[in-house]
Amino acid sequence: GAVVSQHPSWVICKSGTSVKIECRSLDFQATTMFWYRQFPKQSLMLMATSNEGSKATYEQGVEKDKFLINHASLTLSTLTVTSAHPEDSSFYICSARRDTRLGNSPLHFGNGTRLTVT
Amino acid sequence: EDKVVQSPLSLVVHEGDTVTLNCSYEVTNFRSLLWYKQEKKAPTFLFMLTSSGIEKKSGRLSSILDKKELFSILNITATQTGDSAVYLCAGHSGGSNYKLTFGKGTLLTVNP
Repeated sequence: GAVVSQHPSWVICKSGTSVKIECRSLDFQATTMFWYRQFPKQSLMLMATSNEGSKATYEQGVEKDKFLINHASLTLSTLTVTSAHPEDSSFYICSARRDTRLGNSPLHFGNGTRLTVT
Repeated sequence: EDKVVQSPLSLVVHEGDTVTLNCSYEVTNFRSLLWYKQEKKAPTFLFMLTSSGIEKKSGRLSSILDKKELFSILNITATQTGDSAVYLCAGHSGGSNYKLTFGKGTLLTVNP
């Protein structure tokens, strides 16, 4: 199967600090990983697409200087929430898909990170 | 802008009932339609549909896609309390960027 590991599963931090979230594909390589954000009772909103070895692609309205993404290897992407504020409190979920020639493999999700900024 | 609409938004049934969840989509460069089940944490993959009229089945769950009507349904037969979850539908747009657009989900509650 395709397993995506996300860490930490929950974090509480003080306003103004930075938090790093890791996303690993455990049994497959993923050139591309995706970061989503989910508010309570809402659907998943794509924040950015993380590309191995190059800059991430951010969705409209997402501040790239606030949500720093690094995809240094084919199995690891990190999201750093910089200078966190209470409004950044949310459920962040990473996902990855197995690299295939046809590019039609499904996304598999990590277990998410519940961020609470106090 | 790509759009995925799911209905109903919530549904309460009794164990043993059969349910049908609906998903309509407007997705540019459509490649596939995916269904996920989300319990307390992140979504788990159920089905990926790329062709019209071909039913995909996994146990009591089945799904089918209609690319002409831009529609998909997810059926669950003989529901169990463990089926209680949010079911998410997502449209995959192809092109140079892989992108999934999610619907708001259907909250299914199965009562004993």
